[in-house]
Amino acid sequence: QQQVKQSPQSLIVQKGGISIINCAYENTAFDYFPWYQQFPGKGPALLIAIRPDVSEKKEGRFTISFNKSAKQFSLHIMDSQPGDSATYFCAARGAFGNEKLTFGTGTRLTIIP
Amino acid sequence: DAGITQSPRHKVTETGTPVTLRCHQTENHRYMYWYRQDPGHGLRLIHYSYGVKDTDKGEVSDGYSVSRSKTEDFLLTLESATSSQTSVYFCAISRTSGGQETQYFGPGTRLLVL
Repeated sequence: QQQVKQSPQSLIVQKGGISIINCAYENTAFDYFPWYQQFPGKGPALLIAIRPDVSEKKEGRFTISFNKSAKQFSLHIMDSQPGDSATYFCAARGAFGNEKLTFGTGTRLTIIP
Repeated sequence: DAGITQSPRHKVTETGTPVTLRCHQTENHRYMYWYRQDPGHGLRLIHYSYGVKDTDKGEVSDGYSVSRSKTEDFLLTLESATSSQTSVYFCAISRTSGGQETQYFGPGTRLLVL
């Protein structure tokens, strides 16, 4: 049972454009939603995370938008750069800090010049 | 990189042989995790540990066992490797950042079972 659905599977965006990756979850007990960025041959690295008590969180060019009623959240990358080309994973976790993360299936993002 | 190392980084083995992967951390974190990453599946939890000798199963634990005799080391064993266990394996620790417990990943071990 996939509890976090991620789309699209792959995405090609022109340099300077906005990249948008969407995730939807089913479990209303989820309380923490991180995004991870992974470059080829490397482990996933925490990029940005949000709690459901806010609708948006921004860190530099990266923004998470959160819609609690729709059980959806998305990652927006503004002014996308070739260095942003990577695989992105959304994830979700319950309220307690050491609960297990449930991951989406990943989005391979390619930024073209 | 949260002070996590994994060994070996690459391994080729034959079906039916046992394989042990090692995760080593230097920051004394209590929680450690083993995941496998496969195309179309994202990251799936195999086993996790919440202290020395305290472990529990994840969603894809069949065919795997773990041990944690020291805080810093978490071992994953494939008891009798199968081709379906060809994957990239990641170890992770849980650490507080920005007031939240968050998982940080090691560099991964690429395993090929022939």
